Amino acid sequence: DVKVTQSSRYLVKRTGEKVFLECVQDMDHENMFWYRQDPGLGLRLIYFSYDVKMKEKGDIPEGYSVSREKKERFSLILESASTNQTSMYLCASSRPGTNQNIQYFGAGTRLSVL
Amino acid sequence: RKEVEQDPGPFNVPEGATVAFNCTYSNSASQSFFWYRQDCRKEPKLLMSVYSSGNEDGRFTAQLNRASQYISLLIRDSKLSDSATYLCVVNGGNQFYFGTGTSLTVIP
Repeated sequence: DVKVTQSSRYLVKRTGEKVFLECVQDMDHENMFWYRQDPGLGLRLIYFSYDVKMKEKGDIPEGYSVSREKKERFSLILESASTNQTSMYLCASSRPGTNQNIQYFGAGTRLSVL
Repeated sequence: RKEVEQDPGPFNVPEGATVAFNCTYSNSASQSFFWYRQDCRKEPKLLMSVYSSGNEDGRFTAQLNRASQYISLLIRDSKLSDSATYLCVVNGGNQFYFGTGTSLTVIP
């Protein structure tokens, strides 16, 4: 089974702090994604990466950055956390080019910024 | 216009009922289609892929209509354990586009 592991289930941070959310997948997937999910808005793509050291902006990249130094690991960074970044953050991975390009999700990180 | 649109519901149905969800997508070049299930405060999990020919998995049937650009999910003989949010997902290239989800509550 594919396993996508997010480092924290719950995080509480203060406004202005730098926050790191880590995600690791064990299926050698090329593509990795960071989403945030808010009530009524569904999943919104922050960034995705299709290879090591490659990244692409999603729909809402402002206030975030990412790092992909190794294929299995994709990190989301909040440079200076703000209260409007309180949300559920979901990491996902997939293997492109297959007949069914399925996304697998981590358990999510529920971040509260005070 | 949103890439994927779903009726958010909520759908409240009695046990044993049949319920259907629909979803429309805007990009005719979309390649793959899925239904995911998401329980409260959990991550989305793949329920089933959707093929043009239609596919069935037990009580669940998914259909794709490329001409009209919509996807459907039919749940027969609803169980209490089917209560969840159902997400319609469309894949094009490297990106996935999610509907906001349809909430289902099955009532005893």
